[in-house]
Amino acid sequence: DVKVTQSSRYLVKRTGEKVFLECVQDMDHENMFWYRQDPGLGLRLIYFSYDVKMKEKGDIPEGYSVSREKKERFSLILESASTNQTSMYLCASFGRTPYEQYFGPGTRLTVT
Amino acid sequence: GNSVTQMEGPVTLSEEAFLTINCTYTATGYPSLFWYVQYPGEGLQLLLKATKADDKGSNKGFEATYRKETTSFHLEKGSVQVSDSAVYFCALSDQGAGTALIFGKGTTLSVSS
Repeated sequence: DVKVTQSSRYLVKRTGEKVFLECVQDMDHENMFWYRQDPGLGLRLIYFSYDVKMKEKGDIPEGYSVSREKKERFSLILESASTNQTSMYLCASFGRTPYEQYFGPGTRLTVT
Repeated sequence: GNSVTQMEGPVTLSEEAFLTINCTYTATGYPSLFWYVQYPGEGLQLLLKATKADDKGSNKGFEATYRKETTSFHLEKGSVQVSDSAVYFCALSDQGAGTALIFGKGTTLSVSS
């Protein structure tokens, strides 16, 4: 089974802190994604990556950056956390056989 | 641009009732369509998918048919159970856009015994 793991289930940070959210997949997938989930808004794409050291902005990249130094690991970085970044963050990887995205369990981040 | 619209919830049903959650989409080209489910406290799981027009996806008693003429992918189940209580997301993937998913806002289903 494909496994996508995220470093923390729950995280509490203070405004202005630098925050790292880590995601690891074990299926050698090239494509990885970070989404943000908010009530009433569904999931919105923050950043995605097609390969090591490659990244593309999604729909809401402001305030975020990403890093992909190894194929299996895709990190989301909040350079200076703000309260409006309090949310559930979901990582996913994509496989072509079968054709679907696999999601991690999510990290619920609270910024106070 | 591409978008997904699904019915707003919450949807509240009694056990063994019939379920329909409507989903329509706007897309250029020929997207693939998905239904994901999120149980309380968990991440998203793929429930079913359809990759071309007239395909029917099915899993765990749920079904959805890819209707290109009405740009719809409605989720149905003949007899819901309490364990089906969850949030359901309709999504599309435009291969030309690199497989990123575009999601609807989600529909919360609550089933009581």
